[in-house]
Parts: sequence; structure tokens; C-alpha cells
Amino acid sequence: DSGVTQTPKHLITATGQRVTLRCSPRSGDLSVYWYQQSLDQGLQFLIQYYNGEERAKGNILERFSAQQFPDLHSELNLSSLELGDSALYFCASTNSGSGRETQYFGPGTRLLVL
Amino acid sequence: AQSVTQLGSHVSVSEGALVLLRCNYSSSVPPYLFWYVQYPNQGLQLLLKYTTGATLVKGINGFEAEFKKSETSFHLTKPSAHMSDAAEYFCAVSPYYNQGGKLIFGQGTELSVKP
Repeated sequence: DSGVTQTPKHLITATGQRVTLRCSPRSGDLSVYWYQQSLDQGLQFLIQYYNGEERAKGNILERFSAQQFPDLHSELNLSSLELGDSALYFCASTNSGSGRETQYFGPGTRLLVL
Repeated sequence: AQSVTQLGSHVSVSEGALVLLRCNYSSSVPPYLFWYVQYPNQGLQLLLKYTTGATLVKGINGFEAEFKKSETSFHLTKPSAHMSDAAEYFCAVSPYYNQGGKLIFGQGTELSVKP
């Protein structure tokens, strides 16, 4: 158990819908990362937050947005969903957000868009 | 741009045999390097990492990797495979100059262990 929790575990929805994925980092960690894992794209970095502020952005679509709240949990919002958004979405956390730290991954949310 | 190449999307070994998973990175400056393992229906777990210092890094479950700057490689090895090693393995880099800590992953290598 990494100490990072993600809800829900599974999500099935229809094209055009909007969903929210939730992540709680390890106790004491200030930085949260979101990744998407799909068969065709592999593991891709989406976005990083540190103590409520956006720190780095990757290949995140404009239909996707994220935020980190004062209690440090984070939410990833996916809207106008398309079939291609079906993937496993991971959240990871670290203490300071530096590149040399180990990232602790949650179990992921599996999203299926029908 | 930084990139990571893992040679072989699938590697199969016999139990007790040497495990060698290859990883090459592209970077003008040595990055931080990581190997993560993903068991079925689970998140990623760190096996080992190289940041600075000794180039031979030992990790969990008997795995080790050697950072070779001249070859831009960070291959993962284990002397004797165990059935429980069957999983997907990801090599990743975090650019040294990175203001954040994002990881750039290779495509992954699925390791099968035959009895």
C-alpha cells in the first residue's frame, strides 16, 4: 500500500459526459501528479500540482482540467469525453515535487467511455 | 526533448535465469533515472533509482541497475528470476533541469517467467 488513494476504482460512462477523478496523496506530501496509461500512448504525464499551485503541465487536453485543494487532495476533471479517453488514470505524490524524489502511485482509476 | 527507449516489449525467461531489461535515454545532461514495476491491476512501485553518486544501484527484490553515461543506458538486471517477478517494468527519467518532478516513461517491458 503506497498511501495514495484514488476514487473511484472503476468508472463507466458515455461519450460527451463529464467525470471527476479524485486523489488523496500520502500524508505529508505536497505534490500531486496525474498520469494517463493507455495501450496506444503508454504512460503519459498530464499535470503536476504543488501545494495548491500548478507546477508543470504535460500532454493534457484542453477538455481536461485539474486542481489541488487546501487539504492537498486533487481532482482531475475530464469533460466532453471521447472513446479515446478510455484509459487508466494514475495519481502519484511526493513531498517536495523535485525530480529526484520517488513518486508513490495510487492504484488508479480505470475509465471506460462507451 | 527527453525520451526513453525500452528494447523489447516482451521478455521471457526461465525461472532461475538471468533477467536483463534494457533502457536507453536521450538527454544532453544526465537525468534522474528510475525503474518502476507494475503488477496486474495495481499501481506502479519503485524498484530503484539513480540520482547521483554510485552508478550501480541496488533495489528491492534483488534487482539492480547500472547507469552508464557513455552509453546513455540504465539496464535492469536480476541474477535469478523468480515466478513472482512476472510483471510489467517501466524505465523512466526525470530531467535534471526540470522545475517540477514529472516522469517520462518508456513503453514498458512485460516480463514472463517460465517454470
